[in-house]
Amino acid sequence: DAKTTQPPSMDCAEGRAANLPCNHSTISGNEYVYWYRQIHSQGPQYIIHGLKNNETNEMASLIITEDRKSSTLILPHATLRDTAVYYCIVNKGGNYGGSQGNLIFGKGTKLSVKP
Amino acid sequence: AAGVIQSPRHLIKEKRETATLKCYPIPRHDTVYWYQQGPGQDPQFLISFYEKMQSDKGSIPDRFSAQQFSDYHSELNMSSLELGDSALYFCASSGRDGVNEQYFGPGTRLTVT
Repeated sequence: DAKTTQPPSMDCAEGRAANLPCNHSTISGNEYVYWYRQIHSQGPQYIIHGLKNNETNEMASLIITEDRKSSTLILPHATLRDTAVYYCIVNKGGNYGGSQGNLIFGKGTKLSVKP
Repeated sequence: AAGVIQSPRHLIKEKRETATLKCYPIPRHDTVYWYQQGPGQDPQFLISFYEKMQSDKGSIPDRFSAQQFSDYHSELNMSSLELGDSALYFCASSGRDGVNEQYFGPGTRLTVT
């Protein structure tokens, strides 16, 4: 079972920031928080990941609380093309042996960006 | 940049037939994952391979088998197909960077009639 909880859906106005929350209260010390998204029937797309510190890349920012029990994915200026299902996934990473690297997808948050 | 290639993109089979799905990972990626996504469902992990050896097994039916070849491409073999096998099948690959970013292919849409 997925170890994360996300709201089933959210709306965001185009051009505004989209803040997607995720609860992962049972996360272990060596587990990362990953975010992926899936645009209708396309292959899931990696967005960002983090362990303890906040992270930023060209797509998004990831804010992880100090106790690591929750996180927020931030899309700073949402566009219509950001409409997708966003998945927050907890995983050990450390893929040298491939073991335990598989992703367990929960229900995700369906983000609708509206003009 | 090169992405994960899957073939075929669409496949129609009849019940009890067999199907073979192929996956070509991103160059220099040594790990391949297979996921199944039924209609209206979230992706479910099937099986993974690292350096040509099976590394993890998920909810893969016994009718399915898979392998990774010396060039790192992978094939998912599905026999005695059932209507319930109709789904999108995604392959993902990752490299030995230690943090398991998986890059997904466009998927193969299998329809069993």
